[in-house]
Amino acid sequence: NAGVMQNPRHLVRRRGQEARLRCSPMKGHSHVYWYRQLPEEGLKFMVYLQKENIIDESGMPKERFSAEFPKEGPSILRIQQVVRGDSAAYFCASSPPSRYANTGELFFGEGSRLTVL
Amino acid sequence: LAKTTQPISMDSYEGQEVNITCSHNNIATNDYITWYQQFPSQGPRFIIQGYKTKVTNEVASLFIPADRKSSTLSLPRVSLSDTAVYYCLVLPTGTASKLTFGTGTRLQVTL
Repeated sequence: NAGVMQNPRHLVRRRGQEARLRCSPMKGHSHVYWYRQLPEEGLKFMVYLQKENIIDESGMPKERFSAEFPKEGPSILRIQQVVRGDSAAYFCASSPPSRYANTGELFFGEGSRLTVL
Repeated sequence: LAKTTQPISMDSYEGQEVNITCSHNNIATNDYITWYQQFPSQGPRFIIQGYKTKVTNEVASLFIPADRKSSTLSLPRVSLSDTAVYYCLVLPTGTASKLTFGTGTRLQVTL
């Protein structure tokens, strides 16, 4: 059973370009979370999605950032018109559907490291 | 959401027992306490979870006093490979919800 797969692992963009980060959750998982980690800092929650629904996007910047988790295919975090401050590691996590979803265990991918030149 | 406070960093020698304490004074009745481990350049990994008293698995033990306002992650006989950042999280009530990570405790194990 493959773990959470993120790609690309490393992405370099110039200011003003678009960055697309993809996340395939573990098999059977229908909840996806995106986190951002700046160098030497903790993880900051960005968005929580279920299939075709955004459940909580309270951590997403209001502009330039969007996320989706379509019925088919991976979840995508999209950053438009990137700036240097967007340089960070972006982690995706997934969890299974559960009546009691606060089981505490999220399964994280290896992250996508975005560098904006 | 219950706020957590834990030391920024700790140092230990290989073979010692390490105890990392986390304070969560505003923990709610239905909240669980969860610890994650993160190695450099990797995603966090679930270590252990508990509600009260003591929980033990093959990796660590978690001690939670009766008032549940704090918890202690205990790593027995650490090795160099235990060098990582350890996060204490308190799960919010309700159905599906996000986890909130703080800055964690950076554990450095040396010979």
